[in-house]
Amino acid sequence: NAGVTQTPKFQVLKTGQSMTLQCAQDMNHEYMSWYRQDPGMGLRLIHYSVGAGITDQGEVPNGYNVSRSTTEDFPLRLLSAAPSQTSVYFCASSEGGSGNTIYFGEGSWLTVV
Amino acid sequence: AQKITQTQPGMFVQEKEAVTLDCTYDTSDPSYGLFWYKQPSSGEMIFLIYQGSYDQQNATEGRYSLNFQKARKSANLVISASQLGDSAMYFCAMRERGSNYKLTFGKGTLLTVNP
Repeated sequence: NAGVTQTPKFQVLKTGQSMTLQCAQDMNHEYMSWYRQDPGMGLRLIHYSVGAGITDQGEVPNGYNVSRSTTEDFPLRLLSAAPSQTSVYFCASSEGGSGNTIYFGEGSWLTVV
Repeated sequence: AQKITQTQPGMFVQEKEAVTLDCTYDTSDPSYGLFWYKQPSSGEMIFLIYQGSYDQQNATEGRYSLNFQKARKSANLVISASQLGDSAMYFCAMRERGSNYKLTFGKGTLLTVNP
């Protein structure tokens, strides 16, 4: 089973460049989200979606865009990369509800120089 | 105020001993879920255990158990018979119905198991 698939796994960007982190899940989950992980900060929510066509901001949304045109896909776009966006990014999916486990992708390591 | 507080940045335990990782949470939502995830050095997030706010009994999954004290708003993870492979970062997290089921994480505890 593929689960949650993120690409690319590693990326180096120059300041000002744009890029898209791809995320796909094959579990028909309603709920998808993007987190960033920085040293000493845990995982912080960037954007999330509760279903196709519905997205909302998380804790740290500035500099990122998302869209949810299908249930399966939830891409994260960096509009104009900044060194402060150097981080590890995780995509996650689950059913809605407080009791449902959230499944994570393997992470994408992004460096902005 | 932080939603999830993990007060132990790092913990050490001897192999085969038990260890408790602390987690306190802050919510006024009556419906919430508490999760523990393990992140080894390879980076993936591994689900360990779940406790629902309405669950009457503490959750257990193999060597993992969750010491849930609702009145104190604590959800400590207990790992019994520690193994070298348990060395990793451990995160406590919470989903609340009132926040649209967003998952909020603590800052984590780095556990090192010594031989």
